[in-house]
Amino acid sequence: RKEVEQDPGPFNVPEGATVAFNCTYSNSASQSFFWYRQDCRKEPKLLMSVYSSGNEDGRFTAQLNRASQYISLLIRDSKLSDSATYLCVVNMNYGGSQGNLIFGKGTKLSVKP
Amino acid sequence: DGGITQSPKYLFRKEGQNVTLSCEQNLNHDAMYWYRQDPGQGLRLIYYSQIVNDFQKGDIAEGYSVSREKKESFPLTVTSAQKNPTAFYLCASSIDGRGLRTEAFFGQGTRLTVV
Repeated sequence: RKEVEQDPGPFNVPEGATVAFNCTYSNSASQSFFWYRQDCRKEPKLLMSVYSSGNEDGRFTAQLNRASQYISLLIRDSKLSDSATYLCVVNMNYGGSQGNLIFGKGTKLSVKP
Repeated sequence: DGGITQSPKYLFRKEGQNVTLSCEQNLNHDAMYWYRQDPGQGLRLIYYSQIVNDFQKGDIAEGYSVSREKKESFPLTVTSAQKNPTAFYLCASSIDGRGLRTEAFFGQGTRLTVV
């Protein structure tokens, strides 16, 4: 099983649609979870951190299910400007001695007029 | 303004040459990372450093070397031993790589092309 696995894309949706991205991770000891957005030929930028209780930022909602080792991102009322690749990121902490961020391959979203 | 700066933005290298990519941050972050991204692919970890004078190999360290002599700086050298170096290289930093909720901030990247 890959360390961080995401839905294969691309997702092509009309403006105003609701779209959901899913991500699974393999290490049950993982502590930190994030969603990043990457525009074409640009660096990834943090979209939101994912907390156990779930969190919402405007049209974006992130959820974490530790039991199933599953993270999700929901985008409501999608805009043309939401078109990008969305990366699921997990911080693999191994007893506090070595930690690094593991990225999923990303899911490409294309919002059409 | 605080941030993380990579230079140069574009770099061309002849086969057989070593080249060094610069990464500087003034965020006072302890942890720094180097990733490689190939077209249509995810980010793969080359090296990371949790503290000054210490660094660890990532998944694809072969053909690369790093140093961490200063907290602010984490240069990456792409050596001639790297067989396929053409890629987009991204440097990132986080407050503390061993802590919780340690989101990373990225530089704008360096596009390396071997000619």
